[in-house]
Amino acid sequence: SQQGEEDPQALSIQEGENATMNCSYKTSINNLQWYRQNSGRGLVHLILIRSNEREKHSGRLRVTLDTSKKSSSLLITASRAADTASYFCAIVVSGGYNKLIFGAGTRLAVHP
Amino acid sequence: EPEVTQTPSHQVTQMGQEVILRCVPISNHLYFYWYRQILGQKVEFLVSFYNNEISEKSEIFDDQFSVERPDGSNFTLKIRSTKLEDSAMYFCASSVKSPLYAETQYFGPGTRLLVL
Repeated sequence: SQQGEEDPQALSIQEGENATMNCSYKTSINNLQWYRQNSGRGLVHLILIRSNEREKHSGRLRVTLDTSKKSSSLLITASRAADTASYFCAIVVSGGYNKLIFGAGTRLAVHP
Repeated sequence: EPEVTQTPSHQVTQMGQEVILRCVPISNHLYFYWYRQILGQKVEFLVSFYNNEISEKSEIFDDQFSVERPDGSNFTLKIRSTKLEDSAMYFCASSVKSPLYAETQYFGPGTRLLVL
């Protein structure tokens, strides 16, 4: 498999706390994307980070990428109950692969 | 904001029946994809489509599956003879360019297929 596991599998926090989710992969990548999925619903794109980038921000989201460790992290700051969802990372492998390869996801529960 | 749409939202079928899942990608997008997610599992790539032909497919996408862009707006996934293990959520996605150009793929809301 070209994709590793996301860590943790499940995360439970209180509103206002920060949530950090990690993603590992096993191959060289072109870019890495994070998606969110509310229970049983569609996938919503959150952020894309290219292989030559180390960090990106979007609102309360911060994504880091360490290609030497083949890992990425997603930080959600000042979490809200509405952030409760599953979060997936997906890689685009370098070398001509025209698809996203998803990880298993982290289930985040934010309690009011 | 433009979005990918999919119909139907739910489909129940008998094993061995043919199903067609429909998608309308975002209008200026050129790359189209199908993914599936079996309940509680990862999202898995099925097929990508560009310039009226399949550009890549996974080992899941066997002879029972086919895709078509019958007109300028629709993109369909056909499963010829459904099996119990085809029960899953099927997602359509589209992008302007190939994801190799660091392009975002926009996903539809999915069709939940249940094979009895």
